[in-house]
Amino acid sequence: QKEVEQNSGPLSVPEGAIASLNCTYSDRGSQSFFWYRQYSGKSPELIMSIYSNGDKEDGRFTAQLNKASQYVSLLIRDSQPSDSATYLCAVATQGGSEKLVFGKGTKLTVNP
Amino acid sequence: IAGITQAPTSQILAAGRRMTLRCTQDMRHNAMYWYRQDLGLGLRLIHYSNTAGTTGKGEVPDGYSVSRANTDDFPLTLASAVPSQTSVYFCASSDGGTGFNEQFFGPGTRLTVL
Repeated sequence: QKEVEQNSGPLSVPEGAIASLNCTYSDRGSQSFFWYRQYSGKSPELIMSIYSNGDKEDGRFTAQLNKASQYVSLLIRDSQPSDSATYLCAVATQGGSEKLVFGKGTKLTVNP
Repeated sequence: IAGITQAPTSQILAAGRRMTLRCTQDMRHNAMYWYRQDLGLGLRLIHYSNTAGTTGKGEVPDGYSVSRANTDDFPLTLASAVPSQTSVYFCASSDGGTGFNEQFFGPGTRLTVL
């Protein structure tokens, strides 16, 4: 059974702080990693994808991948109240039309 | 149409009734997926299709069926609904041909089975 684990939270940070979201996965064959943001009552929205070890930055978001430790994280710099949402980590084992396994999500609240 | 559409937005259904949830995408993506999302259980894959004419079972396929007659449409059918199928259902699609699997989600259908 391929598993993806996330801190259940909730995670609360003050506005302007760095929010750190963590995810571990069980399948060493995993090659593709994704972070989705889901606002309450809405559908998941893809915000970051990462495929190689190291950091990938996109605006205020940085994804970090360490395949040896089977660990992927998402950092949100200068957190804003609009970042308050549930963040889902998803892992695919192969490229192409392979199925994703999702973590249960971490709820983030950014306090003004 | 832009992206993925799902219909209906929400539905209340009597147990035992048949229901089809519709999903249409206009991105010419090869692969499509159906998930259900339940509190505390996260997103779970019901069925998927890698390309038109093919389908496969996901983690929780029992009680559901799908078809993929063409690239754009991927309906999900509940043959005889039961209360445990009360959930939010999301359809998703991905290109599937680039070596990566970025999936994009529709707005969802909230289904209540009484």
